[in-house]
Amino acid sequence: AQKITQTQPGMFVQEKEAVTLDCTYDTSDQSYGLFWYKQPSSGEMIFLIYQGSYDEQNATEGRYSLNFQKARKSANLVISASQLGDSAMYFCAMTPAPGYALNFGKGTSLLVTP
Amino acid sequence: DVKVTQSSRYLVKRTGEKVFLECVQDMDHENMFWYRQDPGLGLRLIYFSYDVKMKEKGDIPEGYSVSREKKERFSLILESASTNQTSMYLCASSQGEYNSPLHFGNGTRLTVT
Repeated sequence: AQKITQTQPGMFVQEKEAVTLDCTYDTSDQSYGLFWYKQPSSGEMIFLIYQGSYDEQNATEGRYSLNFQKARKSANLVISASQLGDSAMYFCAMTPAPGYALNFGKGTSLLVTP
Repeated sequence: DVKVTQSSRYLVKRTGEKVFLECVQDMDHENMFWYRQDPGLGLRLIYFSYDVKMKEKGDIPEGYSVSREKKERFSLILESASTNQTSMYLCASSQGEYNSPLHFGNGTRLTVT
């Protein structure tokens, strides 16, 4: 079974600074997909970024990048130039097979301060 | 854009009632999922479906059942609601590819009294 661990229940960052949200995973699968989602206080789940286990380059989407270290089984999310609107819960998730259900971590609450 | 619609945003039911949570997606996705979200526990998978009339148990199926009679609709059923089923319920759909994200509905906050 796959397990996702997010060790930071809460994080603070000042506006315009970069922040790293940690995610480690445990799997015996060779192929898998890793995702990050954002959940603002409104409750909607917003897809941010995807990394495949065989992708050689770290994924990037605008201000979001994924620091993927396969040997360490970590997939940390880096948010550059934080904005007040980045305040939200962030979930790391993985899937063992295409289109399969995602296993989610417990989330990290990020607060961006002025 | 993919749209996943959950029929109710807030729902209050009494213990023992049969409860139906409805979810509809408009992108012809094969796969649909039901999760519940509780503070400190993240999202936990209840049931999922890869095709019409097909269902698979997730991590916490006890006390729930599902129905998928049409491709676009996936219903979660609480046969006899209990107070420990008070939670946020999230429906999602996806295509069948590795890099396909799950698209979520806005959630149904269910309170069982």
